[in-house]
Amino acid sequence: NAGVMQNPRHLVRRRGQEARLRCSPMKGHSHVYWYRQLPEEGLKFMVYLQKENIIDESGMPKERFSAEFPKEGPSILRIQQVVRGDSAAYFCASSPPGGNEQFFGPGTRLTVL
Amino acid sequence: SQQGEEDPQALSIQEGENATMNCSYKTSINNLQWYRQNSGRGLVHLILIRSNEREKHSGRLRVTLDTSKKSSSLLITASRAADTASYFCAPHMEYGNKLVFGAGTILRVKS
Repeated sequence: NAGVMQNPRHLVRRRGQEARLRCSPMKGHSHVYWYRQLPEEGLKFMVYLQKENIIDESGMPKERFSAEFPKEGPSILRIQQVVRGDSAAYFCASSPPGGNEQFFGPGTRLTVL
Repeated sequence: SQQGEEDPQALSIQEGENATMNCSYKTSINNLQWYRQNSGRGLVHLILIRSNEREKHSGRLRVTLDTSKKSSSLLITASRAADTASYFCAPHMEYGNKLVFGAGTILRVKS
């Protein structure tokens, strides 16, 4: 059973461009979570999704950030018009229905030039 | 905030010694989880302790939970150089389904 997969692992964008981060949960997992980690800090919750539903987006910035988890395909975290402050590691985690433990992917490291 | 706050921020020990990290949180929890993160990598789940449990073991790991004090501790016995990493506690809220991480404890085990 493959773990949580994220791609790309590293992403470089210039200010004003769009960043798309993808997350494929573990097989059988229908819950996906996105977290952001700034250097030397812990992970900060961004959004919790189930298939075709956003359950909790209390950690998402109000503008430029969006997330989806379609019926088919990976979950996407989209950042429009990136700024330097968006540079961070973005981690995705998944869990099965009713599960408490979250399994994390290797992360996508976004660098905004 | 219901985030877990780890203490100490950094810990340096010799191989073979025990390492103890503490975590405090602020709200009612369903369970509390400990994770490890090696530099530049994703998080690895170590252990989960439910709110009705007081102690749990897994290999060289021992976790305690005191819900009356809203605190938990992680003990790593007979530490190894490979244990060098950042360790995070993540209280799982009683309501909702998100983990809230603190800044972590950076553990360095010297060989």
